[in-house]
Amino acid sequence: DQQVKQNSPSLSVQEGRISILNCDYTNSMFDYFLWYKKYPAEGPTFLISISSIKDKNEDGRFTVFLNKSAKHLSLHIVPSQPGDSAVYFCAASSTRGSNYKLTFGKGTLLTVNP
Amino acid sequence: EAGVAQSPRYKIIEKRQSVAFWCNPISGHATLYWYQQILGQGPKLLIQFQNNGVVDDSQLPKDRFSAERLKGVDSTLKIQPAKLEDSAVYLCASSITGGRSTDTQYFGPGTRLTVL
Repeated sequence: DQQVKQNSPSLSVQEGRISILNCDYTNSMFDYFLWYKKYPAEGPTFLISISSIKDKNEDGRFTVFLNKSAKHLSLHIVPSQPGDSAVYFCAASSTRGSNYKLTFGKGTLLTVNP
Repeated sequence: EAGVAQSPRYKIIEKRQSVAFWCNPISGHATLYWYQQILGQGPKLLIQFQNNGVVDDSQLPKDRFSAERLKGVDSTLKIQPAKLEDSAVYLCASSITGGRSTDTQYFGPGTRLTVL
């Protein structure tokens, strides 16, 4: 049973346009959400996070939106750049546990075309 | 600041053979994680150490996988014997304390294992 779902395996956008990556979760205990970015042959790198007490968090070109009632979050990249081409993983955890385990989605491959 | 180091980067073995992976976390990081990432999937936590104690190994197939972090610094993950379905990238990550859910996990480059 997948608790974190990224239903779009891939997304292609033009340079300068907005990229929107989506993520859904099923576990009501999740209250902390993260996005990781992964280039080929490298490990995932942390991009941005959001706590369930917020509905938006912004860091430069990257904004994460959280809709708790829909159990949905999205990552917006504006403007998209060719260097943003990578696999993006959504991850979730619960702050109420004792080990703060991350549960990852399957990832979305973003391709930004020049 | 040096990142998480892993070796080897690639390993090819026959089924039923044994293999070991090594991880050196970021200096001063108390918590170390081993993840398995099968092609087309997200990383799945196998085991989490806080210093040299195991916090969570609920998803580690203990009949064939073992891991240790004897001095609370570097760690080894072993598979014995390997099966075809163990083909995956094995990622090591570390975080500064693990005592807060907001601690960022920093990942190493991974070891790509192919079992033939």
